[in-house]
Amino acid sequence: AQSVTQLGSHVSVSEGALVLLRCNYSSSVPPYLFWYVQYPNQGLQLLLKYTSAATLVKGINGFEAEFKKSETSFHLTKPSAHMSDAAEYFCAVSDRSASGYSTLTFGKGTMLLVSP
Amino acid sequence: KAGVTQTPRYLIKTRGQQVTLSCSPISGHRSVSWYQQTPGQGLQFLFEYFSETQRNKGNFPGRFSGRQFSNSRSEMNVSTLELGDSALYLCASSPGQGNNSPLHFGNGTRLTVT
Repeated sequence: AQSVTQLGSHVSVSEGALVLLRCNYSSSVPPYLFWYVQYPNQGLQLLLKYTSAATLVKGINGFEAEFKKSETSFHLTKPSAHMSDAAEYFCAVSDRSASGYSTLTFGKGTMLLVSP
Repeated sequence: KAGVTQTPRYLIKTRGQQVTLSCSPISGHRSVSWYQQTPGQGLQFLFEYFSETQRNKGNFPGRFSGRQFSNSRSEMNVSTLELGDSALYLCASSPGQGNNSPLHFGNGTRLTVT
């Protein structure tokens, strides 16, 4: 089974600073990778997805992620943090189960805190 | 297009009771997945339904069950509730074809077991 590791359960940045949220995956085959964001009392919203078309993926709200096969990483970045970016972020990998169909396996999440 | 709708938003139940949660997917989506979210365990996959058939199942006891109707709406049921079942239950839908289809999540049902 594939797995996802998110380094740091909490990341704190100042408004206007670079955001870097780390995600490493384990996969024996080329993966499909996703980043989701969850605001308080809401479900998860898709930020971006990697499906092998391009290694640098641009998402919504100014976020982007770079797929690096040699490092098995898919880190999420944003050049300048905004207060509204404060939320929990989840990295996920598409995992094919014994039934042959895919499910999403999520990392533990990283809470992004943005201070003024 | 309306998003994924989950009802109710909040539930309070007592140990030993049973509960049914409902999920209406995005129109045209045939796959519905359920996840349990807790602070300790994070997001854990419960099961997935596609065209009324359970296609995938996570590692949860048999007290957790689900079904999908012909209109793709789905319900999950938890019997003999335990305190540890307190969680946010998230439903997600997708078109269902291919393993690169992102999931679209509802806002969840917050279940509290006392």
